[in-house]
Amino acid sequence: AQSVTQPDIHITVSEGASLELRCNYSYGATPYLFWYVQSPGQGLQLLLKYFSGDTLVQGIKGFEAEFKRSQSSFNLRKPSVHWSDAAEYFCAVGAPHTGTASKLTFGTGTRLQVTL
Amino acid sequence: GAVVSQHPSRVICKSGTSVKIECRSLDFQATTMFWYRQFPKQSLMLMATSNEGSKATYEQGVEKDKFLINHASLTLSTLTVTSAHPEDSSFYICSASRLIGGELFFGEGSRLTVL
Repeated sequence: AQSVTQPDIHITVSEGASLELRCNYSYGATPYLFWYVQSPGQGLQLLLKYFSGDTLVQGIKGFEAEFKRSQSSFNLRKPSVHWSDAAEYFCAVGAPHTGTASKLTFGTGTRLQVTL
Repeated sequence: GAVVSQHPSRVICKSGTSVKIECRSLDFQATTMFWYRQFPKQSLMLMATSNEGSKATYEQGVEKDKFLINHASLTLSTLTVTSAHPEDSSFYICSASRLIGGELFFGEGSRLTVL
């Protein structure tokens, strides 16, 4: 079965600074990979996803993520963080062998705090 | 983008009562819907997969008699927490997929508090 690890529970960055949130996965082949953002008391919004092809994926709100097979990683990055980016970020994995991109396993999340 | 709506967003009930949460896909037909439970400061745990017109598939450890799921139409799935107890208090989130295996769209979540 697939699994996801987000090593950082909580990260604080200054507004305007760059950001990298880490995500490592365990799966026997190339999985489907996702990053979601959740604001307090809200559902999840998809930032970006990787199914195949170009390993650098561009998403919404200026986010990007890079799939590195050798490191089993799919880290999320943003060159310049805005105060409105403060939220909980979840990395998720879907297993192609199940024939669906919909049944996902979520990491434990990283809470991003942005200081002004 | 596609919109998934949950209702109610917040509900408070007495111990022993049942609570129904609705999940609707507003602008597409959802062949599959998923129900998750999220404890404070924790990740989403998949509870069950709901397919229109058939029985839900529950994840290991989820009591199907406790958490009744009905997916009677392509735009509506309901989760009923039966005989709720304080330990059932949680944030419940649904998601819907337009196609089998397709991208997920999430609802806003429903916070259940059982007194």
